[in-house]
Amino acid sequence: EIVLTQSPGTLSLSPGERATLSCRASQSVSSSYLAWYQQKPGQAPRLLIYGASSRATGIPDRFSGSGSGTDFTLTISRLEPEDFAVYYCQQYGSSRGTFGQGTKLEIK
Amino acid sequence: EVQLVESGGGLVKPGGSLRLSCAASGFTFSSYSMNWVRQAPGKGLEWVSSISSSSSYIYYADSVKGRFTISRDNAKNSLYLQMNSLRAEDTAVYYCARALNFGVVNPVGYWGQGTLVTVSS
Repeated sequence: EIVLTQSPGTLSLSPGERATLSCRASQSVSSSYLAWYQQKPGQAPRLLIYGASSRATGIPDRFSGSGSGTDFTLTISRLEPEDFAVYYCQQYGSSRGTFGQGTKLEIK
Repeated sequence: EVQLVESGGGLVKPGGSLRLSCAASGFTFSSYSMNWVRQAPGKGLEWVSSISSSSSYIYYADSVKGRFTISRDNAKNSLYLQMNSLRAEDTAVYYCARALNFGVVNPVGYWGQGTLVTVSS
């Protein structure tokens, strides 16, 4: 089973700043089958990025994904107030689609 | 509009059983793989199980293998999760989730609002 480790656990930033979230896999993620989700309190998650770098429909271009192999990054170029939430990465290339433990992005 | 509506959650005693259902609408249900993903209170997301469009491929997390059974009825546009031998650690919100695109290898593109399962004596 591929284990995903996200860092940091909590990230404190101000609106307008740049956020960089990391997701590291215990083994190579095949064909960059890596996704990022955003979850706000009391809501279901929302798909942001798939295929490591493709934005889902309706996702603003301030969200970008990069990486391959075992190291992946979600970058939010300029934080808006609505971006403060919990972010999860998920690999879906193996038969078991494991999630990372999440990074909480909070307002500083 | 894609809609996924879960039902069947509730309070059950350890060792008991529960069957979750997910009613799908707004898309051709028989064309997409489906998943169950859960989230324990205050915790992160955990993938539970997935089933391909024709039920040819079925996968489970190690934590539920042998106790949970995923199934679907394409004629009824419905997804199910039969949960047996429930444990306290199965307490979670269970989300029904649709693959983003056709095919087996896909992220989750659409989520229901979830149904809460509480396992407690």
